[in-house]
Amino acid sequence: AQSVTQLDSQVPVFEEAPVELRCNYSSSVPPYLFWYVQYPNQGLQLLMKYTTGATLVKGINGFEAEFKKSETSFHLTKPSAHMSDAAEYFCAVSGNTGGFKTIFGAGTRLFVKA
Amino acid sequence: DAGVIQSPRHEVTEMGQEVTLRCKPISGHDYLFWYRQTMMRGLELLIYFNNNVPIDDSGMPEDRFSAKMPNASFSTLKIQPSEPRDSAVYFCASSLGHPDYSPLHFGNGTRLTVT
Repeated sequence: AQSVTQLDSQVPVFEEAPVELRCNYSSSVPPYLFWYVQYPNQGLQLLMKYTTGATLVKGINGFEAEFKKSETSFHLTKPSAHMSDAAEYFCAVSGNTGGFKTIFGAGTRLFVKA
Repeated sequence: DAGVIQSPRHEVTEMGQEVTLRCKPISGHDYLFWYRQTMMRGLELLIYFNNNVPIDDSGMPEDRFSAKMPNASFSTLKIQPSEPRDSAVYFCASSLGHPDYSPLHFGNGTRLTVT
């Protein structure tokens, strides 16, 4: 069975400080991994996805994530936080299990302080 | 691309009343999903359709919930009768191609409050 663990429910950072939001997954098949962002009163928007190939994935808004199979992780990073990055971030995992079973993590709320 | 459109944005109703939520997916997308988001349970998949056909409704919590997709451009989620514990934000999402590797496009949601 697949699962996703987002280790932090909230992450506070100062503006221009680096950001790291952690995500660990478990999957019995090679996973597809996603990061989504949700701004207040909006739906989720895709930040990036990993399917196959290069393990360092670049997303929108300057975010990156690295797929590390040995650590079963897909942590989201950004070198310098902006106030506009304040939002909730969701990691998700899916896989070719014969049926759609994308599993979302519980989310991490990023607070950016001036 | 107008995105996924949901209506209404907010719905307040009394316990026992029927509630209908509406969704228009992105044109050409062949998968449609209904999710529910709460603080306690996070994002839960309720049901999804492929080419207007319901594929998996195992996430529908009770028989009070039903969903239809009469054509490729419209879907409804109905709760009858509604209960206070149904209060949540309900999202519709669509995708082009198999959702295992195709991203989901979410609407802005309907915030349902049942009093």
